[in-house]
Amino acid sequence: QAVVTQEPSLTVSPGGTVTLTCASSTGAVTSGHYPNWFQQKPGQAPRALIYNTNNKHSWTPARFSGSLLGGKAALTVSGVQPEDEADYYCLLYYGGMRVFGGGTKLTVL
Amino acid sequence: QITLKESGPTLVKPTQTLTLTCTFSGFSLSTYGMAVGWVRQPPGKALEWLTFIFWHDDEHYRPSLRSRLTITKDTSKNQVVLTMTNMDPVDTATYYCARAFNWSLAYWGQGSLVTVSS
Repeated sequence: QAVVTQEPSLTVSPGGTVTLTCASSTGAVTSGHYPNWFQQKPGQAPRALIYNTNNKHSWTPARFSGSLLGGKAALTVSGVQPEDEADYYCLLYYGGMRVFGGGTKLTVL
Repeated sequence: QITLKESGPTLVKPTQTLTLTCTFSGFSLSTYGMAVGWVRQPPGKALEWLTFIFWHDDEHYRPSLRSRLTITKDTSKNQVVLTMTNMDPVDTATYYCARAFNWSLAYWGQGSLVTVSS
């Protein structure tokens, strides 16, 4: 089974920009993995942010964007807000199977 | 408005079978490309994808749990049922149902905490 790896933790200052990445043990992440990104705050269900690499949901704030970067899926938050402090998970598709990354705890400090 | 809600026991004993129901509204599981599935999250740990069932009755399962999982749907009742056999304390987790469509998991239930303990 593939393993999906994310940075365990990142810290960013309010107003700053941060990029979270999502790597696959099977090789480069491509659009064929249909990367999804989710935000989860304590005690809440995950909230979908990005699907199919770079598509936003209607509720996704404009400061969040998805891309492929250096063989990984990436989530960039530009102009970070205090309310962006949360856990972020990526999800990759492997031909019938889905695998979540281990999550990144984003601290806004 | 699309909603999903999980229901089932909050406590099961080791070796017992867990049955969780996801009741949804605002969409039909008979729509082309639609799927509903389950994701779990042990306390303090990461999300784990478990299974999906699709509009055309195809089923996908987490390989490591394939022998213990069964997913079924009742399109007329707008329900999806997850069955997990031989429960163990390591299966203690919040179980979420979610809608999959167009390669996105946009809509999630609130989650149902299931504790496995004797």
